[in-house]
Amino acid sequence: RKEVEQDPGPFNVPEGATVAFNCTYSNSASQSFFWYRQDCRKEPKLLMSVYSSGNEDGRFTAQLNRASQYISLLIRDSKLSDSATYLCVVNGNDYKLSFGAGTTVTVRA
Amino acid sequence: AAGVIQSPRHLIKEKRETATLKCYPIPRHDTVYWYQQGPGQDPQFLISFYEKMQSDKGSIPDRFSAQQFSDYHSELNMSSLELGDSALYFCASSLEAAGREQYFGPGTRLTVT
Repeated sequence: RKEVEQDPGPFNVPEGATVAFNCTYSNSASQSFFWYRQDCRKEPKLLMSVYSSGNEDGRFTAQLNRASQYISLLIRDSKLSDSATYLCVVNGNDYKLSFGAGTTVTVRA
Repeated sequence: AAGVIQSPRHLIKEKRETATLKCYPIPRHDTVYWYQQGPGQDPQFLISFYEKMQSDKGSIPDRFSAQQFSDYHSELNMSSLELGDSALYFCASSLEAAGREQYFGPGTRLTVT
């Protein structure tokens, strides 16, 4: 069982729609949480860190539920440029990042 | 802003050859990480260095070794290459004191024939 589990999607949504998806993590000692986006055959790019109180960055909102060990990402007013694979990433009390397999989002015109 | 630099961007080697991948972290970042991403897979952690010392080790084969130099750049040395080593190799860097948000380089695509 992977340390980080994600719904692979794909989520196929029209421009302007809201899309949300979750991931769950198994290590209750995990310390840091992130969402990265990865475009095809390119490097993962940090989208946002996720804090216990929840945080927002423009059209993106991330939530962390430590009790249930899940993290969510919500994208409002989707743009074509939001089409990508979104990676849920967790960092324990060590240096490595554990990646989910990614959720694919496709925004159509 | 300056990003992580990796070289070469593409590399083709034959089985049993050796390869060296280089990584130049973002200026002032003190920690470097190496990841391997196979086709259709998520990145897998290989090894990391903090202040030139190995800080953590993941699923890195014994045929691979790495180090971080005094200028903080890092090199991943791969010997006795196998077909299964064909993958994207990403280097990431972070500032230890800044919550370890990792920033990835563009990757080196290694093809072993």
